Amino acid sequence: ETAVFQTPNYHVTQVGNEVSFNCKQTLGHDTMYWYKQDSKKLLKIMFSYNNKQLIVNETVPRRFSPQSSDKAHLNLRIKSVEPEDSAVYLCASSDWGGAYAEQFFGPGTRLTVL
Amino acid sequence: AQSVTQPDARVTVSEGASLQLRCKYSYSATPYLFWYVQYPRQGLQMLLKYYSGDPVVQGVNGFEAEFSKSDSSFHLRKASVHWSDSAVYFCAVTNSAGNKLTFGIGTRVLVRP
Repeated sequence: ETAVFQTPNYHVTQVGNEVSFNCKQTLGHDTMYWYKQDSKKLLKIMFSYNNKQLIVNETVPRRFSPQSSDKAHLNLRIKSVEPEDSAVYLCASSDWGGAYAEQFFGPGTRLTVL
Repeated sequence: AQSVTQPDARVTVSEGASLQLRCKYSYSATPYLFWYVQYPRQGLQMLLKYYSGDPVVQGVNGFEAEFSKSDSSFHLRKASVHWSDSAVYFCAVTNSAGNKLTFGIGTRVLVRP
């Protein structure tokens, strides 16, 4: 099956803990992305990688750090979570086809910070 | 900076009725425009995209969108909705490099049986 896979589906944690989310795509794409979707469904790009290289790094707190071992994997680590980090984190991938490339999304990881 | 405005947070329609979702964009250059749909507890899926050519572009599942440069709009339409079209619909614009997709806030569509 070719798709974008994310683990875990859900994660509940306490303020100050470290969390890590995994994303893998089996579509053979060169580019991967992390988005944050808040409780009002607002979607914002956080990072994008092309062939393991950081391309876009939007203004996100420094406690967020993406990690890419190869072009098929892009993980997201949050060092010390805050309540405002509660959201759904969506991973996506696309061909390096420029502006017209369709992005394929995973189902998301829902983070709840208590 | 690019931006997208979706003025309708929620739209409720009856099954079989037509649907139009509004989208206005702001971008200094020629825009690359998309509509995505998000079904409950799923990721986003692309419905259609537009860059140039015929301003009416066809997408999946009977959706189409019309681009208007003069109005800076990219409205989505469907002639006859089905209950399975209940979802959140996002309009998006990207920069010319294609590495920064900016989404609107989404329109939640509820199709009543």
